Amino acid sequence: QSVLTQAPSASGTPGQRVTISCSGNTSNIGSNHVQWYQQFPGTAPKLLIHRSSQRPSGVPDRFSGSKSGTSASLAISGLRSDDEADYYCAAWDDSLNGDDSLSGWVFGGGTKLTVL
Amino acid sequence: EVQLLESGGDLVQPGGSLRLSCAASGFTFSNHAMSWVRQRPGKGLEWVSVLSGGGGVVRYAESVKGRFTISRDNYKDTLYLQMNSLRAEDTAVYYCSRGTAEVIYYTIDVWGQGTTVIVS
Repeated sequence: QSVLTQAPSASGTPGQRVTISCSGNTSNIGSNHVQWYQQFPGTAPKLLIHRSSQRPSGVPDRFSGSKSGTSASLAISGLRSDDEADYYCAAWDDSLNGDDSLSGWVFGGGTKLTVL
Repeated sequence: EVQLLESGGDLVQPGGSLRLSCAASGFTFSNHAMSWVRQRPGKGLEWVSVLSGGGGVVRYAESVKGRFTISRDNYKDTLYLQMNSLRAEDTAVYYCSRGTAEVIYYTIDVWGQGTTVIVS
């Protein structure tokens, strides 16, 4: 059971806009920035969005991120077939399992994006 | 070019030990916190441990606390994960990853290719 909640799957057709959501709580998303990672089968994750809405250099502007309260979203516009991958959200958690003495990184369970 | 190269993954019996290494290059290693993140077969990403750039601040996931130890050698630009009392549920690909700053809570931005640990 992941600390951050994502829908296990999402889909869209080429050219469409798709949104992937990530839900947390006040000790993670509510207090800290969110990162989004893209992972293709058999490869390492790649940073897509950092500080909730910032794109690293080289990431197309078709990818955008936002955060509101204890939730975050990744939007992909102009969907392409090579966007088909797993997408993970992540955030620093100041109080793991409600224990203020424990902190660390938490991830969502991942959303598998299918381009129909 | 920033690179992280993990090694040390192997097949080990339950209760056994293993040490993973991650050789870093292309950046000033001591200026960056480093993490281990694992991925069980067919599952999502799970954070394991993080260590600050200077090595003075460390955090562990509850699932590995007391069994795993993260460490670094800033002269050799290498990160380690000592894994003891291994269990079947520790079977995973283990990724070494870099934080964007010395402190532990900044963005993880670069990942290695992973090394596979099988406990059986």
